[in-house]
Amino acid sequence: GAVVSQHPSRVICKSGTSVKIECRSLDFQATTMFWYRQFPKQSLMLMATSNEGSKATYEQGVEKDKFLINHASLTLSTLTVTSAHPEDSSFYICSARVGTGFYEQYFGPGTRLTVT
Amino acid sequence: GQNIDQPTEMTATEGAIVQINCTYQTSGFNGLFWYQQHAGEAPTFLSYNVLDGLEEKGRFSSFLSRSKGYSYLLLKELQMKDSASYLCAVTDSNYQLIWGAGTKLIIKP
Repeated sequence: GAVVSQHPSRVICKSGTSVKIECRSLDFQATTMFWYRQFPKQSLMLMATSNEGSKATYEQGVEKDKFLINHASLTLSTLTVTSAHPEDSSFYICSARVGTGFYEQYFGPGTRLTVT
Repeated sequence: GQNIDQPTEMTATEGAIVQINCTYQTSGFNGLFWYQQHAGEAPTFLSYNVLDGLEEKGRFSSFLSRSKGYSYLLLKELQMKDSASYLCAVTDSNYQLIWGAGTKLIIKP
């Protein structure tokens, strides 16, 4: 149980275009989903926290107008990178959590975005 | 500020034992996680400690001392597949996960 999927696993897009990444909890309902970004040889950096049906909470320095997050249901959250630039190339990972307090975060397999 | 420190890289020999340390300074504490992350993949859960002491799970054990703000992950009988990055993460008073930069573990035959 506790499987989180992400789609696509890899995407290459041209500079200026937008890319949507989906994160789904397959066998549980996630009240909270997290979006992380990881650059090579660096740790995970939390971008935003989203709760189903409410606006996402963005970390300092993350542009909410550039990284659009929609948590439309208890099993689906999407991250849209708008007007992507080469510096947005990174490994994007989502995770999902049930409830608050101690509940393990379950990670998706990640999406490798390359902007050319 | 919130800070988690762990060594950047460690090297060990197949079959040996290695201990990866993690020290933390956070706003509150609601538990410490260890995750394993292979290159190009998402992290996978290894262990969770919220009380002082040692938690053993097969070849992996994790220790916590809350008074010292210290944890370690102990890996026994190392295998080549254990080559990965090991991430220490602490849940703060708001139940947000604060991540360390990770320790890259290199296993040599």
